[in-house]
Amino acid sequence: EAQVTQNPRYLITVTGKKLTVTCSQNMNHEYMSWYRQDPGLGLRQIYYSMNVEVTDKGDVPEGYKVSRKEKRNFPLILESPSPNQTSLYFCASSLTSGYGYEQYFGPGTRLTVT
Amino acid sequence: AQSVTQLDSQVPVFEEAPVELRCNYSSSVSVYLFWYVQYPNQGLQLLLKYLSGSTLVESINGFEAEFNKSQTSFHLRKPSVHISDTAEYFCAVSDPGTGKLIFGQGTTLQVKP
Repeated sequence: EAQVTQNPRYLITVTGKKLTVTCSQNMNHEYMSWYRQDPGLGLRQIYYSMNVEVTDKGDVPEGYKVSRKEKRNFPLILESPSPNQTSLYFCASSLTSGYGYEQYFGPGTRLTVT
Repeated sequence: AQSVTQLDSQVPVFEEAPVELRCNYSSSVSVYLFWYVQYPNQGLQLLLKYLSGSTLVESINGFEAEFNKSQTSFHLRKPSVHISDTAEYFCAVSDPGTGKLIFGQGTTLQVKP
């Protein structure tokens, strides 16, 4: 089954404790992206990757890191989480970045930072 | 800069009634427009999209949206809703340079029996 998987689905942590949210897709997609969803704000892009070893900042990159060492994986790293990073996070992938290709979303990771 | 505005945060409607979810966008370039649906505790799923050609696009479950360039709108409609349509709906425009989806704030459709 073609899908985007994320782990963990739920995470409660404390301020300053490094964490990683994994994202993997099995569709051989070139383009991958992370979004965060906050009430009343919709979804905002954090980082994106056009292909392996190519990443760039989205609209809200502060406090986050990413890497793209393999085509299928695109982990999101919070080196020192803070309470304002409490949010619902989605990983997404598409065949490529242009031409209006559909982005496929993972199930989401709900992160709470206390 | 591109932006998307969804004019209603919540739309309550009775089952079998028609519904319209409004979306306006701002862009200085040609756009690709999308509607995504998010059911409770799930990720987003593509409902329909406009890339080019016919301005009326349809989904497999009875929704349709019309691209109106002069009014910069992409409203979503369904002539008769079901309880199962209860979800949050997001309108989005695609940035052609980065592939980023720029989302509206979302509209919660609440279908009542």
